[in-house]
This record gives sequence, structure tokens and C-alpha cells, in this order.
Amino acid sequence: KAGVTQTPRYLIKTRGQQVTLSCSPISGHRSVSWYQQTPGQGLQFLFEYFSETQRNKGNFPGRFSGRQFSNSRSEMNVSTLELGDSALYLCASSLAKGADLYEQYFGPGTRLTVT
Amino acid sequence: DAKTTQPNSMESNEEEPVHLPCNHSTISGTDYIHWYRQLPSQGPEYVIHGLTSNVNNRMASLAIAEDRKSSTLILHRATLRDAAVYYCILRGSSNTGKLIFGQGTTLQVKP
Repeated sequence: KAGVTQTPRYLIKTRGQQVTLSCSPISGHRSVSWYQQTPGQGLQFLFEYFSETQRNKGNFPGRFSGRQFSNSRSEMNVSTLELGDSALYLCASSLAKGADLYEQYFGPGTRLTVT
Repeated sequence: DAKTTQPNSMESNEEEPVHLPCNHSTISGTDYIHWYRQLPSQGPEYVIHGLTSNVNNRMASLAIAEDRKSSTLILHRATLRDAAVYYCILRGSSNTGKLIFGQGTTLQVKP
């Protein structure tokens, strides 16, 4: 079974631009969560989507948004990029059926650099 | 959200057991204890989880204190591949797909 895939793996953007990252979950997984990892703040939860609905949200500004498609693939978008948005963005999928505690399977991440 | 406390770093020799502690004194009765690890240049991976009883799987064992205020992840024979950052995470039923990562413990394994 293929794992979680994320595209692109590396990205360089300029301040003020916007960016869209893509995540394809493991087949059959309906929950997709996004995380940001930086050396200073560590791993921080961004949001989770389940059956095309945002089910949970972390403490990030509205510039960070996401969506999920009917095939469970997910995208996250960051608008008006700032230097501080440079980070590794990780996507994770799980079987999730409502309030559950299934383990999450992480992708390799997208390394975003903002210059 | 209940918080966990872990040592910043630990060292182990290859092929020796490793005990990684985690304190979670504010754990609620319905919180599960999960462990994930992150190898260098990879996304985190699930290791093990438990509620009250000790748990074993092919990767590790989880020992949970009787009062549930602490737990220990046990790697029975550390290998060089086990060098990673280990995260102890509490998950309640309301958290759904949200994992709250602390700083974790960086485990170094010496040959």
C-alpha cells in the first residue's frame, strides 16, 4: 500500500506570494491533518479535514487555509507569505471514523523556504 | 490540553535496552498515551499507545504507572536506526485528528 505522498517536496517562494501544497493520503484514509515544523516552535498542528470538512483547527492566522476533496486528497494554502512561514509542512492521514484515536501516518513533508 | 514532560535528550549503547520517561500529571481519565518518533529527515511515525495497561508491539513496550501520571517507552534492544526524537502525546476523544507535540526526547544510540 502506498504511503502518504506530498508534493512538491521542496519549494522556494518570495515574501508576499502565495503557495499551495498537496497531500495524497493512504488509500481508504478519510482524515488528513496538517502540521508545521520549525526549529523554534517544533511541530505544530494546523488543521484537520475529515470527509471534506474542517474538523479541527490550530492557532494559526487566517492566511493558512486548507481543503479536502471527495477523494480525500487535501491541499493547504498560505497567502501573503512571510519569512517566518519557512518550515517543513507535514501531512498525516488516518482511518479516523469520528472521535477516534487511530494512529496517524505522516508523509515526508514539503520544505518551504520564503525569501 | 493536558501537557507532557520529557527529558531533552538521552543516550544509549547499541543493543542495550532504553527507557524513555514521560510525565503527564494532568492526564484525564479518558486520555490515551501515544508515542511517536521522528527519524532524521523523515516525518513522525507511530510507535505505540495505551490507556491503562502495559502494551507491547513489535517496535516497543509501553509501561504505564498505576496512577497514569507517568509512562515509559521501552526499546528492548536499541539499534542505530532507533536514533530519533521521541514524542509522548496525550490524546483525548475530543482531539480527533490533532496531535499536540512537545519538544520530545532526542535519543542518541552509540555503537
